[in-house]
Amino acid sequence: SQTIHQWPATLVQPVGSPLSLECTVEGTSNPNLYWYRQAAGRGLQLLFYSVGIGQISSEVPQNLSASRPQDRQFILSSKKLLLSDSGFYLCAWSLYSGANVLTFGAGSRLTVL
Amino acid sequence: GENVEQHPSTLSVQEGDSAVIKCTYSDSASNYFPWYKQELGKGPQLIIDIRSNVGEKKDQRIAVTLNKTAKHFSLHITETQPEDSAVYFCAASGGSYIPTFGRGTSLIVHP
Repeated sequence: SQTIHQWPATLVQPVGSPLSLECTVEGTSNPNLYWYRQAAGRGLQLLFYSVGIGQISSEVPQNLSASRPQDRQFILSSKKLLLSDSGFYLCAWSLYSGANVLTFGAGSRLTVL
Repeated sequence: GENVEQHPSTLSVQEGDSAVIKCTYSDSASNYFPWYKQELGKGPQLIIDIRSNVGEKKDQRIAVTLNKTAKHFSLHITETQPEDSAVYFCAASGGSYIPTFGRGTSLIVHP
């Protein structure tokens, strides 16, 4: 069966510090991968999605970036965090075959102080 | 692109009552409509989904209905229980493989 892992679960970072959130998927190949952010406790904002290694599409221009160095690894990064980057970050995957079911990770709670 | 509207934003019910959450979508090419439940501090989990060739689908206490002509779909929860309290998201996809989500409904079930 497929599983998705996301870490760290919680982190507190000062303004201006770098960020790295990591997500890996097990039990499948060629997944579509997604990063979402949830601010103010509710709406899901799509940040990045990827259909393959090195292929990243950005939905929202900001100081975040994403990379996919391996087929089942998706990384969200920032060189300098802003206060507004605080939120709940969710990684998700779906089958490359076009099935539209998204499976989410447990999320990473980021607080920027 | 697709636009999904979800109502209400907050729904408060007594245990045992029914709860209904409604969504509308704009892209007639959308053909897949999942519903997700997100408990506090966790990632959303798929609870039920429906495809455009079906008008209704039921799984124990939850059901989803779809009206393609009117471009709306609804989640029905019967005999609500306190553990049903969560944020529920609807989504629509099909024209693109990336689902478009509604803004979420916070369901509160009072014991």
